[in-house]
Amino acid sequence: QEQLVQSGAGVMQPGASVKVSCKASGFTLTKYYMHWVRQAPGQGLEWMGIINPSSGGASYAQKFQGRITMTRDTSANTVYMELRSLSSEDTASYYCAGSYVYAFDIWGQGTPVTVSS
Amino acid sequence: QSALTQPRSVSGSPGQSVTISCSGTSSDIGAYDHVSWYQQHPGKAPELMISDVNRRRPGVPNRFSGSKSGNTASLTISGLQAEDEGDYYCCSYAGSYIRIFGTGTKVTVL
Repeated sequence: QEQLVQSGAGVMQPGASVKVSCKASGFTLTKYYMHWVRQAPGQGLEWMGIINPSSGGASYAQKFQGRITMTRDTSANTVYMELRSLSSEDTASYYCAGSYVYAFDIWGQGTPVTVSS
Repeated sequence: QSALTQPRSVSGSPGQSVTISCSGTSSDIGAYDHVSWYQQHPGKAPELMISDVNRRRPGVPNRFSGSKSGNTASLTISGLQAEDEGDYYCCSYAGSYIRIFGTGTKVTVL
């Protein structure tokens, strides 16, 4: 059974960084392009960016350019998303999702991140 | 890029049909036949229902159907059932790897 298993919830200080992991289970990470999507409490979904696990190449939404980095470790079958300079507006659940082509075929369970002092 | 525009909520009685619109621009929905729809229940991750405008994911009931005209895509649920209640999001490819989500629609079964 294919699954994406994400790291646990976290509480971060304003100005800090967070790194969320997403491990593929039941399939090889390189099967999908991997994305990160976030959802603030009571709000809609927001696409953050994409990484090609085969090459490691990434592309980010303009809104996050300069403070986001997506990486992968193929030996660990895991992708990571690091977001820096956190503010309260970054409080959200962060999802990884895999797309075979254009749609998000598989989703992780989500990682709640709270930014608070 | 701005979020695609969806109605905040739609509702219907069991057995009725509801349609959710998703309005974009000539740079996203109007340019590509890569609109997908997702269902999300409270506290859960979204799930893919339809890809590429009208391709139902295996296992998705055929009461769910998608379409597109110009810069607007639509999701229709025919024969509404209680388990269809939840939030629905459209998403469009916008070129250069970019994806844009809709604002989301809450479906209520009366």
